Order: sequence, then C-alpha cells, then structure tokens
Amino acid sequence: DTAVSQTPKYLVTQMGNDKSIKCEQNLGHDTMYWYKQDSKKFLKIMFSYNNKELIINETVPNRFSPKSPDKAHLNLHINSLELGDSAVYFCASSQDRHRYYEQYFGPGTRLTVT
Amino acid sequence: AQSVAQPEDQVKVAEGNPLTVKCTYSVSGNPYLFWYVQYPNRGLQFLLKYITGDNLVKGSYGFEAEFNKSQTSFHLKKPSALVSDSALYFCATYNYGQNFVFGPGTRLSVLP
Repeated sequence: DTAVSQTPKYLVTQMGNDKSIKCEQNLGHDTMYWYKQDSKKFLKIMFSYNNKELIINETVPNRFSPKSPDKAHLNLHINSLELGDSAVYFCASSQDRHRYYEQYFGPGTRLTVT
Repeated sequence: AQSVAQPEDQVKVAEGNPLTVKCTYSVSGNPYLFWYVQYPNRGLQFLLKYITGDNLVKGSYGFEAEFNKSQTSFHLKKPSALVSDSALYFCATYNYGQNFVFGPGTRLSVLP
C-alpha cells in the first residue's frame, strides 16, 4: 500500500488555467505538507496543515490555495497558472507537528505550464 | 544565512570505497538534523535523523551520520558505496522561523 499518494503524476496545462493536485496519506499522520521542487532541485516548503488547520504558509502567491477536507487529505489548487509554476510538487506527512518527526513524501506531481 | 549548507554539488566515488556527503548547519541551540535521499523521478526518502544523544546516528541502507556540534556539521557516511547509492542527497533542519528547510542537495555518483 502506498503511504503517501498524489494524483496526477504528470500535469501539462496552459497558462491561465486552474488545476488541482490531490494528496492522500494512509499513515494516520496528523500533519501534512506541500513542497515545490524547481528545475535546479531546490526544495521549498509551501504549506503545512496539522489536523486540517493551516500552520505554515510560506511566501506563496495567493493563486495557490491548499485545502484539507480531513487530516488524511491535503489538496493543492492553483489558479491562473503561470510559466514559473512549472515544477515538481511533493506532498508529505509526519506523525504530528513536533520537529523531531521525519516526513514521508509522495512520488511528486510534475507540473508543466506551457 | 542559510540554515543548512551542502558545500559539494556533486560527489563521485568508486564502488566499494567509503563515501561522505557533507552538511553544515547554522541554527542556534540543539538542532534537529535529517538526511533524505531522492532517486531519479521519485519522492524523497528519509534516511536518518539526529535529535539528541549519541553523535553517531545509524540509518537506512547502511548509512550513518555524525553530529559534530563544534564544527556545526552532520556529514553522511557509508563505509562501502554501492552503485545503487547513486542519487540526490538532501540535508535538512528547522530554521529560525521553525520551518523545515532543505540544503541544496548533493548528487552522489558511485562508479562501478
């Protein structure tokens, strides 16, 4: 069973469109995250939710809106997509928000904006 | 200043030789330090972490890391490299803003 899953794996879309990426974890974890990995492989945290509550919101354009319907799911909706949004987006989860817990990552969603 | 640095973009080592991937940190107090590995077209996998206690931490796939407070380092090591260890390695910690931050990554190539 996949611990952290993301759909879709690949997403190709045009500038100006709106798209969503879904994430689900079956580990029973309380905390979930979204990361962006750029073309140079730099990883940056975007958002973190703990038990459906937003706890980290980095400097991300408000075109990006996370939604957590329950603690096992954290979806990412992106409005008005721009070329610079092209990246690989990773979802992750950890047991809870304490800093000593490691994170488990999904396989990533490669977003290409044309 | 970056919270975590990986001074080498790339490390090459022959199979069977020991390997070291370097990481230095710049957070105050007692840091929580992590190593993750990313294989091509895959998500990150947790290798090991230092929270407290013994400075030598053992992790998955035969990797270990040594926490050195005086040198503010947390280098990843393995006594005998395998070709299958070739991947991108990330050191990570929590910054002053309490956000999880990754180093820029080090690409390890193990040559047969």
